Amino acid sequence: QKEVEQNSGPLSVPEGAIASLNCTYSDRGSQSFFWYRQYSGKSPELIMSIYSNGDKEDGRFTAQLNKASQYVSLLIRDSQPSDSATYLCAVGSYNTDKLIFGTGTRLQVFP
Amino acid sequence: GAVVSQHPSRVICKSGTSVKIECRSLDFQATTMFWYRQFPKKSLMLMATSNEGSKATYEQGVEKDKFLINHASLTLSTLTVTSAHPEDSSFYICSASFQGYDYEQYFGPGTRLTVT
Repeated sequence: QKEVEQNSGPLSVPEGAIASLNCTYSDRGSQSFFWYRQYSGKSPELIMSIYSNGDKEDGRFTAQLNKASQYVSLLIRDSQPSDSATYLCAVGSYNTDKLIFGTGTRLQVFP
Repeated sequence: GAVVSQHPSRVICKSGTSVKIECRSLDFQATTMFWYRQFPKKSLMLMATSNEGSKATYEQGVEKDKFLINHASLTLSTLTVTSAHPEDSSFYICSASFQGYDYEQYFGPGTRLTVT
């Protein structure tokens, strides 16, 4: 089992819709969770961080964490074509002392 | 805030030569800096973690004598790829954190290395 799993996609949503990106992780000692956006050929850009169970909202983005289910998600409301990118889930754990990245989900927002 | 620069953005070198990549945190002091490598259509792979003033911690399988890391100050870390070979061609990205791995990491723009 991979340490951090994401569906590779592509996830295609129409402009204005809600995009839902999911991530599961295997290490129950994980305590920090991040979502990064990466455009093709560019480096990752931090979108959200979340450390405790529940929802965290920032503008059009909402991160959701459920440690019992070992699940973290990112919702993007009012999706725009400029949101089209690969979204990386990253998880930090005391057991590994590093961030483990998923392979990313490619999001396509079509007009 | 939290801007990280990286230089050069692209470099082409001949096999057997060495290449130095600089990573700077421009508007904050980075206790910890990280070096990643990303191959096409693959995820980020951590190469090493460096804390200012101490030796870098390398991930398993990463040759410390080949990838030399120096974290001389709270705003500067360098990665030197020694005796580069074509298989070292990749996208090298640094990141910096205020505290440690479990806090937000801010990435530099990356360096695309091509070894001919």
